Amino acid sequence: DAGVIQSPRHEVTEMGQEVTLRCKPISGHNSLFWYRQTMMRGLELLIYFNNNVPIDDSGMPEDRFSAKMPNASFSTLKIQPSEPRDSAVYFCASSFVGPYTFGSGTRLTVV
Amino acid sequence: QQPVQSPQAVILREGEDAVINCSSSKALYSVHWYRQKHGEAPVFLMILLKGGEQKGHEKISASFNEKKQQSSLYLTASQLSYSGTYFCGTEIDGQNFVFGPGTRLSVLP
Repeated sequence: DAGVIQSPRHEVTEMGQEVTLRCKPISGHNSLFWYRQTMMRGLELLIYFNNNVPIDDSGMPEDRFSAKMPNASFSTLKIQPSEPRDSAVYFCASSFVGPYTFGSGTRLTVV
Repeated sequence: QQPVQSPQAVILREGEDAVINCSSSKALYSVHWYRQKHGEAPVFLMILLKGGEQKGHEKISASFNEKKQQSSLYLTASQLSYSGTYFCGTEIDGQNFVFGPGTRLSVLP
């Protein structure tokens, strides 16, 4: 298995632009998580899907953030419009009853 | 509610032992341990379930004290490859999984 696949690995964008992060979970995993990691705030859960249904989005910072999971093999996290304070590493993780497997992350820089 | 980890950081010489603690204010269903090397993603080490036994992974093991609502990670005869940030993640009643702030471990030659 190729593991959890995220794209892009790095993204540099200008303030106000739309950013879309992508994730392909491990086949057979029924839970998918989007995390944001910064030095100041550590690993923060943004949103959690179970069987493609959003279960908990209380961590989504504000309306500028949205996430979708149209099928079991694909999820997106969109930021529109982006702001410099959104700069962070965004991780996608998937699981099936237990350990989380993380993707390599997307390092987002908003200038 | 985020678990508390201690210490925040620790520096060791190769071959020394270390203990990292993770505690919660609420009764725990399970505790996960992950290690993250600089610039990489967190990697799962082990999971301890309520009522479960102490787990081991090479020279890294962990315990789970349900009454004290805490878990400890033991690193024995540390190697350079053990350097990284260790996160515990706690689960309450089978849901509400939260990562701790992390413990930065540096192993020096």
